[in-house]
Amino acid sequence: SQTIHQWPATLVQPVGSPLSLECTVEGTSNPNLYWYRQAAGRGLQLLFYSVGIGQISSEVPQNLSASRPQDRQFILSSKKLLLSDSGFYLCAWSVRPEELFFGEGSRLTVL
Amino acid sequence: GENVEQHPSTLSVQEGDSAVIKCTYSDSASNYFPWYKQELGKRPQLIIDIRSNVGEKKDQRIAVTLNKTAKHFSLHITETQPEDSAVYFCTTLRTDSWGKLQFGAGTQVVVTP
Repeated sequence: SQTIHQWPATLVQPVGSPLSLECTVEGTSNPNLYWYRQAAGRGLQLLFYSVGIGQISSEVPQNLSASRPQDRQFILSSKKLLLSDSGFYLCAWSVRPEELFFGEGSRLTVL
Repeated sequence: GENVEQHPSTLSVQEGDSAVIKCTYSDSASNYFPWYKQELGKRPQLIIDIRSNVGEKKDQRIAVTLNKTAKHFSLHITETQPEDSAVYFCTTLRTDSWGKLQFGAGTQVVVTP
């Protein structure tokens, strides 16, 4: 069966520091991969999606970037965090248009 | 792009009563409407969905309705229980936009015993 792993689960970082969140999927090949962000008390906003290795599409302009170095690995990064980057980040995957499976999430607090 | 409006933002109900959450959307090409439940600090979980060629779908105590002409859809929870307390999100999807769900802002449902 397919599983998705996301880490770290919790992160507290100072403003201006770098960020790396990692997500891996097991049990499937060539999935579509997604990074969503949820600000406090809000819905989820799609940040990036990827249909294959090295193929990244950004949905909103922001301080973050994403990379897909391997088929089942998706990384969210920042060189310098802003206070507004705080939130709950969710990786997700799908192999069919109508399904989306979320990881456990990473809670980022920028101080 | 799509705009999904969700109401109410908070909903308090007594155990055993019904809860109704309503959403509207703007993109007439949206053709799939899943609902997610998110417990505190957890990931969203799909609880029920409806496709554009269906007007109503029911699964035990949960039902969804869709009015594609009016571009609105609703979630109905009957005989609410404390474990129904969570944030519920309506979402829309165009199946040509693979996996790119558009989320409503969420409804915090609190069921009091």
